[in-house]
Amino acid sequence: DAGITQSPRHKVTETGTPVTLRCHQTENHRYMYWYRQDPGHGLRLIHYSYGVKDTDKGEVSDGYSVSRSKTEDFLLTLESATSSQTSVYFCAISDSRNTIYFGEGSWLTVV
Amino acid sequence: GIQVEQSPPDLILQEGANSTLRCNFSDSVNNLQWFHQNPWGQLINLFYIPSGTKQNGRLSATTVATERYSLLYISSSQTTDSGVYFCAVERFRGSRLTFGEGTQLTVNP
Repeated sequence: DAGITQSPRHKVTETGTPVTLRCHQTENHRYMYWYRQDPGHGLRLIHYSYGVKDTDKGEVSDGYSVSRSKTEDFLLTLESATSSQTSVYFCAISDSRNTIYFGEGSWLTVV
Repeated sequence: GIQVEQSPPDLILQEGANSTLRCNFSDSVNNLQWFHQNPWGQLINLFYIPSGTKQNGRLSATTVATERYSLLYISSSQTTDSGVYFCAVERFRGSRLTFGEGTQLTVNP
């Protein structure tokens, strides 16, 4: 158990509404990540954080923003959800060796 | 960016069989990891193996960094081994992991 909790685990929302996914860790690790997983595209990095208030973009960051006000929490926000953002979202943390541990995933459907 | 290719894309086995999954990468790496995603979607880190060989129970992995490939061996497969196996690599520290497309493994009873 890597001590990562994602919420909500499942959500259905309407196009144009804002959505926030939360990732909480109990390991006190510096690095946290948000990935999305889609058929045919594997796992793709959205944003990552290397410390409180220190974040950077990944390869598919358009339409997403993140915030990290505490070491343990990393929030992913879809400002105005679109159907193309229907996906499974995984939070991850990495230890000092950059070994990655994933949360259980958040299934998001935008209708 | 670095390219990661996994083979085979799909593999079907009978329980008790052995298998080898392969991960090829296009450039030198300082980080390579294997993950298993079970049928319920949970992603588990199996190995951190930028080079050398490691074993964990029925699973073992070998990375030959100079030849840019890694192998994951599964012996005496069980139905619980079913799922998708991902390889992920990092070119250098801080460059972020790049994932392969995965190998879908089905183990039949």
